[in-house]
Amino acid sequence: GESVGLHLPTLSVQEGDNSIINCAYSNSASDYFIWYKQESGKGPQFIIDIRSNMDKRQGQRVTVLLNKTVKHLSLHIAATQPGDSAVYFCAENTYTGNQFYFGTGTSLTVIP
Amino acid sequence: EAQVTQNPRYLITVTGKKLTVTCSQNMNHEYMSWYRQDPGLGLRQIYYSMNVEVTDKGDVPEGYKVSRKEKRNFPLILESPSPNQTSLYFCASTPGTGAGGYTFGSGTRLTVV
Repeated sequence: GESVGLHLPTLSVQEGDNSIINCAYSNSASDYFIWYKQESGKGPQFIIDIRSNMDKRQGQRVTVLLNKTVKHLSLHIAATQPGDSAVYFCAENTYTGNQFYFGTGTSLTVIP
Repeated sequence: EAQVTQNPRYLITVTGKKLTVTCSQNMNHEYMSWYRQDPGLGLRQIYYSMNVEVTDKGDVPEGYKVSRKEKRNFPLILESPSPNQTSLYFCASTPGTGAGGYTFGSGTRLTVV
């Protein structure tokens, strides 16, 4: 099966700073990627997605960058807030495939 | 409100006692999946369904059954639960792959003693 990994299992940032969460994927056929946020006691929640024909996509305070050359995905959170404290997962999928493969997650802690 | 509802939220049972975790979505999604989440292993897919009466195995299907008799419901059945099935389970649905990913339920924490 595909391997979706994260470079850092934990990340602590000061409130107001920017956060970067990284993800490596191994399936070069993957062409659709999603970042999820999972707060304690809740199910994963969609944050932002990107297709392989894009290098960058921006949302509200979040940006996802995709580097297909090195099979790397990153999530950038601007002006991190205490409410951003959660576990973040990346997931990959082939557009015509039926399965998403999830990374193990990075735990983000925002220090007030 | 668009959502995936799974029940129960918490369940403690004994080895071998059959149980069903229910899942229902109100978004008319075609695809539904069950995942289990274990520390250090992330989310692993158990079974998925592409439409009514169409189901297929995910990565860890052993010990589980599913059915999809109606579009909105996708129950997970453990015929003879064992302690290694102690886990956090999530049901999820999506209109289709590549279409915004899955909407997840709130989870069912299962303990098998």
